[in-house]
Amino acid sequence: DAGITQSPRHKVTETGTPVTLRCHQTENHRYMYWYRQDPGHGLRLIHYSYGVKDTDKGEVSDGYSVSRSKTEDFLLTLESATSSQTSVYFCAISVTSGDYNEQFFGPGTRLTVL
Amino acid sequence: SQQGEEDPQALSIQEGENATMNCSYKTSINNLQWYRQNSGRGLVHLILIRSNEREKHSGRLRVTLDTSKKSSSLLITASRAADTASYFCATVPYSGAGSYQLTFGKGTKLSVIP
Repeated sequence: DAGITQSPRHKVTETGTPVTLRCHQTENHRYMYWYRQDPGHGLRLIHYSYGVKDTDKGEVSDGYSVSRSKTEDFLLTLESATSSQTSVYFCAISVTSGDYNEQFFGPGTRLTVL
Repeated sequence: SQQGEEDPQALSIQEGENATMNCSYKTSINNLQWYRQNSGRGLVHLILIRSNEREKHSGRLRVTLDTSKKSSSLLITASRAADTASYFCATVPYSGAGSYQLTFGKGTKLSVIP
């Protein structure tokens, strides 16, 4: 998994509670991403970061916030979890090869909101 | 919105047969990538094809790209049970070099029967 870890790996929480997912990388890559994966939708980008304190929204950012206070950690926060946020969340980093980049993914976090 | 759309959604073949998956996309691209996801795991990068390339090979994988039709295909030859996974295409928009965002399709679920 290219030195990417996610925690927790599984979480069950209740509607209305805050939840923070952590992505940690060990290789100092600049770009980091958070995706959610749902049946019938594939992977959809939530937020991404292009450096410490530099983040931007993706396709499905409503209800999510992110923070990146140091290169190795990218946090995804659900301020008030809803059942529609039940999903598998993947973190990824981008590795540049020549003029192109490919992404390496973490193992995922399965979140269930009751 | 999804950029790539894979076809078929699911494919079941016998071991030793070839498997072909297709991907269509909507806007001009810089490159197109294929990823594999084993059940319960993160995505793994397989192969990248640039917009000025028509065909690329990597081991048992063959990827073609037709930019006039905005489509790509992934061929896995002599399939093995271990190839059972979901396969996703992902596009990088034509926004100049250094674009770091991927847009994923919904995936094709391949089952290889021993």
